[in-house]
Amino acid sequence: AQSVTQLGSHVSVSEGALVLLRCNYSSSVPPYLFWYVQYPNQGLQLLLKYTSAATLVKGINGFEAEFKKSETSFHLTKPSAHMSDAAEYFCAVRVQGANNLFFGTGTRLTVIP
Amino acid sequence: EAGVTQSPTHLIKTRGQQATLRCSPISGHTSVYWYQQALGLGLQFLLWYDEGEERNRGNFPPRFSGRQFPNYSSELNVNALELEDSALYLCASSIDSNYGYTFGSGTRLTVV
Repeated sequence: AQSVTQLGSHVSVSEGALVLLRCNYSSSVPPYLFWYVQYPNQGLQLLLKYTSAATLVKGINGFEAEFKKSETSFHLTKPSAHMSDAAEYFCAVRVQGANNLFFGTGTRLTVIP
Repeated sequence: EAGVTQSPTHLIKTRGQQATLRCSPISGHTSVYWYQQALGLGLQFLLWYDEGEERNRGNFPPRFSGRQFPNYSSELNVNALELEDSALYLCASSIDSNYGYTFGSGTRLTVV
């Protein structure tokens, strides 16, 4: 069965610093992986997706993620954090044969001015 | 293009009552998914509808049910409400889940 694990429920970075949010997946088949962002009192917005094309995926708002099969990871990065990046971030994997997405428990990103 | 719309935005119900939540998918999307986001529990998959049929459900009791209409809109019904049902209920739609979902802004259900 497919699943994802997000390491760190809270991450704090200074404005302008590197953002690194960690996600490890478990899948017996090539996975479809996603990162979503949720701002307070809103739904989730798709940041980027990996669908077995390029291993380095670029998304919106300057975020990118690299699929590393050897490490079963799909970490989200951004070179320079902005105050507007403060939100909750969810990693997700498509569940093979069931069509729904399985979401990680989320990482709340705080950006310190 | 209109996004996924959910109504109402907020809903307050008394324990034991029934709640009905509604979702309109993006035009052309035939699949609708419902998720519950309760405090501290992350997103829990509830139901998946496609072409008017329930295709899959998560680990929730039968008092959570729903349907999808011919125009692909959907409603989620929660019967015999319990305090623990208080949560943000998110609806999403897709053409193909391999490429992700588009989420609505959610319905905040409060059971008192």
